[in-house]
Amino acid sequence: DAGVIQSPRHEVTEMGQEVTLRCKPISGHNSLFWYRQTMMRGLELLIYFNNNVPIDDSGMPEDRFSAKMPNASFSTLKIQPSEPRDSAVYFCASSPIAQETQYFGPGTRLLVL
Amino acid sequence: QKEVEQNSGPLSVPEGAIASLNCTYSDRGSQSFFWYRQYSGKSPELIMSIYSNGDKEDGRFTAQLNKASQYVSLLIRDSQPSDSATYLCAVRPLSGGSYIPTFGRGTSLIVHP
Repeated sequence: DAGVIQSPRHEVTEMGQEVTLRCKPISGHNSLFWYRQTMMRGLELLIYFNNNVPIDDSGMPEDRFSAKMPNASFSTLKIQPSEPRDSAVYFCASSPIAQETQYFGPGTRLLVL
Repeated sequence: QKEVEQNSGPLSVPEGAIASLNCTYSDRGSQSFFWYRQYSGKSPELIMSIYSNGDKEDGRFTAQLNKASQYVSLLIRDSQPSDSATYLCAVRPLSGGSYIPTFGRGTSLIVHP
């Protein structure tokens, strides 16, 4: 079975540009999580969805960040406008609704210049 | 605020020795505890989960939980150089069916030949 798929794997952009990160969860998983990882702050939960509905977005840093899950097989995390402090690795993870184990995607390495 | 604390390390052990990784947490309502391994440049992968006090063994790995002391640990027996990675502790409450985990910042383990 395919795991969690994320794209792009690497993104280099300039400050002020819009960045869109994409995630395809494991088929049949009903919970989807977006994380950000940096050396300074570790792994931070940004937002999570249950059955395509955002349940908790308290980890979203500010209004420049937005996330959507239009269907069970696709989610996006958008940053507009991007800033150098947004540089990090962004992970998407999914889990079956009845279980707690999260399966992480390979991550997107974002560098904002 | 829920906190999960880990010593950042690095913890350096010789090949064949026992590596002991520790984690403390602040939320007494926590019910589920996880250890993830993250190789450099890769995504976290679950290696152990534990839900009740005591020890849980899986191959060379043993997770230990003491809810009264709010302490969870991971022992790696017969450490191998391939065990060199960062180990993340994650703690999840069960109240209201919440799936929101809190991750520690991880402990770097180095197993030298």
